[in-house]
Amino acid sequence: AQSVSQHNHHVILSEAASLELGCNYSYGGTVNLFWYVQYPGQHLQLLLKYFSGDPLVKGIKGFEAEFIKSKFSFNLRKPSVQWSDTAEYFCAVTNQGGKLIFGQGTELSVKP
Amino acid sequence: EPEVTQTPSHQVTQMGQEVILRCVPISNHLYFYWYRQILGQKVEFLVSFYNNEISEKSEIFDDQFSVERPDGSNFTLKIRSTKLEDSAMYFCASTEGGQGAYEQYFGPGTRLTVT
Repeated sequence: AQSVSQHNHHVILSEAASLELGCNYSYGGTVNLFWYVQYPGQHLQLLLKYFSGDPLVKGIKGFEAEFIKSKFSFNLRKPSVQWSDTAEYFCAVTNQGGKLIFGQGTELSVKP
Repeated sequence: EPEVTQTPSHQVTQMGQEVILRCVPISNHLYFYWYRQILGQKVEFLVSFYNNEISEKSEIFDDQFSVERPDGSNFTLKIRSTKLEDSAMYFCASTEGGQGAYEQYFGPGTRLTVT
């Protein structure tokens, strides 16, 4: 069965610090990979996605993620976080069937 | 920008009662999903729906659950006899295509509290 694992449950950073959130998935076939973000009081929004091609994908708000097939990983990065990045971040995977399998989420708190 | 809407935002019900959670997907989308998130746990897939039929459902989606698209705009999740463990945030999502390579757009969620 597919599964997604996010390594960090809660990350606390100061503004301007660099961010890397780990995500590993288990699935042997073709996958599509996503990072979603949920700001306080808001709904899940797509940050970025990987379907094929360049394994380094860029998303909104300066986020990027790198798909490393050999490591079954899709880590999220941002060189310099802002207070407004405080949110919960979810890694997710789908196969060709369409259903999203989510990781448990990482809560990011950025101190001003 | 078009968005998925859900009503109500918060529903409180007594154990054993029926609840209907409502969603209005984005108008040109064809694939619809329900997910739920129990407090402190992962967002879990419940069911996907296309062409007036369930495409896939999880183990959670037992006989107590049903989905319906009663008209051209609404997509509903019914829980026939609620249990305490059904308390969760329920999210509706929609997408243009169903092959996995499409972004799913999520609604704001309905918080269901079963007492």
